[in-house]
Amino acid sequence: QKEVEQDPGPLSVPEGAIVSLNCTYSNSAFQYFMWYRQYSRKGPELLMYTYSSGNKEDGRFTAQVDKSSKYISLFIRDSQPSDSATYLCAIRQTGANNLFFGTGTRLTVIP
Amino acid sequence: GAVVSQHPSRVICKSGTSVKIECRSLDFQATTMFWYRQFPKQSLMLMATSNEGSKATYEQGVEKDKFLINHASLTLSTLTVTSAHPEDSSFYICSVRRGLETQYFGPGTRLLVL
Repeated sequence: QKEVEQDPGPLSVPEGAIVSLNCTYSNSAFQYFMWYRQYSRKGPELLMYTYSSGNKEDGRFTAQVDKSSKYISLFIRDSQPSDSATYLCAIRQTGANNLFFGTGTRLTVIP
Repeated sequence: GAVVSQHPSRVICKSGTSVKIECRSLDFQATTMFWYRQFPKQSLMLMATSNEGSKATYEQGVEKDKFLINHASLTLSTLTVTSAHPEDSSFYICSVRRGLETQYFGPGTRLLVL
């Protein structure tokens, strides 16, 4: 079983839609949860990070962690064409170096 | 602004040559840097963890003699792909961790070996 599972999509939505991106993970010891956005031929850009459970909001982006279900989500409100990219979830265990990535979900926001 | 820089952004070389990629932490001193590789339409795979002043730690299946890592200062780590072959063509990305939580990535270096 992979440490992190993520639906690769692709996902296409109209401009202005609410986007929901999700990952599941297998190890309850994971404590750090991150979402990255990666444009084509660029390095990943850190969007959000959360520690342990709960919600975190930053502008149009909301990250949620449900540790009981081992489920993390990223919501994008009022999606824009510039949000078109691949979104990667990443998780890490306290004290560990390795960051486990999901496969990434390719999102296209259609004007 | 950018937290991590990489140079070069793209390199094309002949098979058998060696290529050096630099990674710089711009905002803070990084005792640990990470090197990843990403093939088209795939996620990032950790190759090695670069520790300042000591030997790098390589992930299983990554040849340490082929991918030489030098972390000579708190802001610079280099990855040298020795005797590169076409199968080494990939997108190489370095990363630095700030504190316990956040990890930032460089813009990546695209290597094409002919």
